[in-house]
Amino acid sequence: DTAVSQTPKYLVTQMGNDKSIKCEQNLGHDTMYWYKQDSKKFLKIMFSYNNKELIINETVPNRFSPKSPDKAHLNLHINSLELGDSAVYFCASSQAGTGGIYGYTFGSGTRLTVV
Amino acid sequence: DQQVKQNSPSLSVQEGRISILNCDYTNSMFDYFLWYKKYPAEGPTFLISISSIKDKNEDGRFTVFLNKSAKHLSLHIVPSQPGDSAVYFCAASEGGATNKLIFGTGTLLAVQP
Repeated sequence: DTAVSQTPKYLVTQMGNDKSIKCEQNLGHDTMYWYKQDSKKFLKIMFSYNNKELIINETVPNRFSPKSPDKAHLNLHINSLELGDSAVYFCASSQAGTGGIYGYTFGSGTRLTVV
Repeated sequence: DQQVKQNSPSLSVQEGRISILNCDYTNSMFDYFLWYKKYPAEGPTFLISISSIKDKNEDGRFTVFLNKSAKHLSLHIVPSQPGDSAVYFCAASEGGATNKLIFGTGTLLAVQP
C-alpha cells in the first residue's frame, strides 16, 4: 500500500494542452508539497498546503494551479503547457513541524514531456 | 541563487570502503539538514537528519557531520555496499510554519563490487 501515490507516472502531451497530476497520501500527514525536478536535476519546491490551506507559493507561472480537496489529496493542474514545463514532478507529504526532523515522504514522480 | 550546493556531481567508491558525500550551504538560519537517497524512477527517500545545534548524528552505517562555522555537512557511509549506488541529495530546512526543504543538485554515488 503506497504511502504517497501519484498518477499518472508518465504523461506525454502537446504544447497548449491542459493536464492534471493527482497525488494522494495515506500517512495521515497534514502538509503536502509539489516539487519540480528539471533537466539539471535541481529539486525545487513549487507549492505547499497545510490542511487544505496554501502556505507556500513559490514563483511559479499562473498556469500552474494546485488544488487540495482534503488534507490527503493535492492535485496539480497545468494550463497551456509549454516545452519548458517538461520535467519530473514530485508530490510529498509531512506532518507539520516535523519536516526537518523526519523529512518528507515523496511519491515516485510524474515524468511530464511536452512535445 | 542556490542556498544548498553539492559540488561533486559523482563519486565512485570500492565496496567495503568509506563513501563521503559533501554539501555546502549559505543560509545560517537553517534549523535542520537532511540527506535523501534516490534510485532511478523512484522518489527521494529520507535517510538521516541532523539538527543545527548538533555536530554529528549516526544511524547504522550512515553518519552525518555538521560544521556550522564552515557551513558544511557531510554524509559518511561505512562500509559502502553496491546497493548504496544511487543519487544522494542534501537538503536544508527553513523551519517555521512552512518547514520548506531546499535541496542540492545531488551526487551520484557508484559503489563498485
